[in-house]
Amino acid sequence: AQRVTQPEKLLSVFKGAPVELKCNYSYSGSPELFWYVQYSRQRLQLLLRHISRESIKGFTADLNKGETSFHLKKPFAQEEDSAMYYCALRSGGYNKLIFGAGTRLAVHP
Amino acid sequence: NAGVTQTPKFRVLKTGQSMTLLCAQDMNHEYMYWYRQDPGMGLRLIHYSVGEGTTAKGEVPDGYNVSRLKKQNFLLGLESAAPSQTSVYFCASSYGGFGELFFGEGSRLTVL
Repeated sequence: AQRVTQPEKLLSVFKGAPVELKCNYSYSGSPELFWYVQYSRQRLQLLLRHISRESIKGFTADLNKGETSFHLKKPFAQEEDSAMYYCALRSGGYNKLIFGAGTRLAVHP
Repeated sequence: NAGVTQTPKFRVLKTGQSMTLLCAQDMNHEYMYWYRQDPGMGLRLIHYSVGEGTTAKGEVPDGYNVSRLKKQNFLLGLESAAPSQTSVYFCASSYGGFGELFFGEGSRLTVL
């Protein structure tokens, strides 16, 4: 079955600390993975996609097919990074996404 | 440029009542989606549409109907609401099969 797992409901760190939000997936085929973010009182929006191999707002994510993971990382967290983060897998055509349950990142001053 | 707009944003229903959620997008996107978000479960796809006049079932379609009579609008209907349909509903759209999804602000529905 195709599935996205985010094992942490809440990740709490202090400003300046490194952050890693975990995402594991189950998919038979070549996966396409994304991170979406929802800041307080804002819409869910795309943060980054694995195919772009880009860094957005200091975040990076590397697809590890061997470990079926797509963890989101940032070396130095900022308070404005506090948000809900969702890992998503494109599945079955028509741009349908399977979302993980989400991880709330809280960055404390 | 409003993007994706959902109405209403909040609604309380009694069991058995019907209602329709409206999603409108002004980006000329072909693809539109309805998701529901429940605590601890992330977003789950209810129905989607790949163009005007077309609709298809997603992961959790039971109890919902949809229509896409105009390209810019995607309606989600609950014919007989049940408490299990208490959720936050999100509409999204994308330009095509590989583009970024743009989301609405969400509609919080409570069924008593």
